[in-house]
Amino acid sequence: SQTIHQWPATLVQPVGSPLSLECTVEGTSNPNLYWYRQAAGRGLQLLFYSVGIGQISSEVPQNLSASRPQDRQFILSSKKLLLSDSGFYLCASAGGWTEAFFGQGTRLTVV
Amino acid sequence: DQQVKQNSPSLSVQEGRISILNCDYTNSMFDYFLWYKKYPAEGPTFLISISSIKDKNEDGRFTVFLNKSAKHLSLHIVPSQPGDSAVYFCAASGGGATNKLIFGTGTLLAVQP
Repeated sequence: SQTIHQWPATLVQPVGSPLSLECTVEGTSNPNLYWYRQAAGRGLQLLFYSVGIGQISSEVPQNLSASRPQDRQFILSSKKLLLSDSGFYLCASAGGWTEAFFGQGTRLTVV
Repeated sequence: DQQVKQNSPSLSVQEGRISILNCDYTNSMFDYFLWYKKYPAEGPTFLISISSIKDKNEDGRFTVFLNKSAKHLSLHIVPSQPGDSAVYFCAASGGGATNKLIFGTGTLLAVQP
C-alpha cells in the first residue's frame, strides 16, 4: 500500500513569512495528489489537486500555491502567510477508482 | 457551495448500540462514495466505500447504505465500541481519472462505555 510522508508535523510561522510544506509518496507511481486543509471546527477543504507532473488545479482562491516537480512529490507554498492560513494541512494520494491515502498532516499556526 | 453535507456535527451513542452517521450530496455526477475516520492531529484513514451501482456494502461492523434517488448515504456501526470515537467524514468522487474527492464537514462520534 501507499505511504504518504508529510513534514513538518507542526509549524509556527509569523504573519508575512513564506511557507513550504512537502509531501512525498511511496508505493505507487503516477498518483493523483491532493492538498486539503482542515480549519478549526470545519471539514476537509480541497485546496489543490494534481494528476501529473506540473499539472495543478486550484479549487479555491487563496494565498497559497502548489507545485509538483516530480511524480511523487507535491509542495504547498505561500510567499506571505496570513493569519487565516492557520489550520491542519493534509496531503493525500489516490489512483483512479481507489480510496485516497493520507499523510499524518501538518499543524500550521500563523502568529 | 457544499456539495457533500453532514448535517449532524456530533453524535453520542452507548457502547454496544448502533451508530448511524448520515451524509447528503448534491452533485448527481458523484458515483463513488467513501467514509473516513479521523483522530485528532492525524490524517484520515479509509473505512469503507461504495460504488453507485450498489446500494449496500458491508465490512465487519461497518455497513454503508446508498440511496441514489435521495442523494443520501449512511454509515452504520454495530455494535459500537469506545474505540470508534472519532470524527467521521464522508467523501464523494466522480471517479475516473481525476478522482477528486470532496469531503463533508464531519461528524464527531462519541461512544460512551
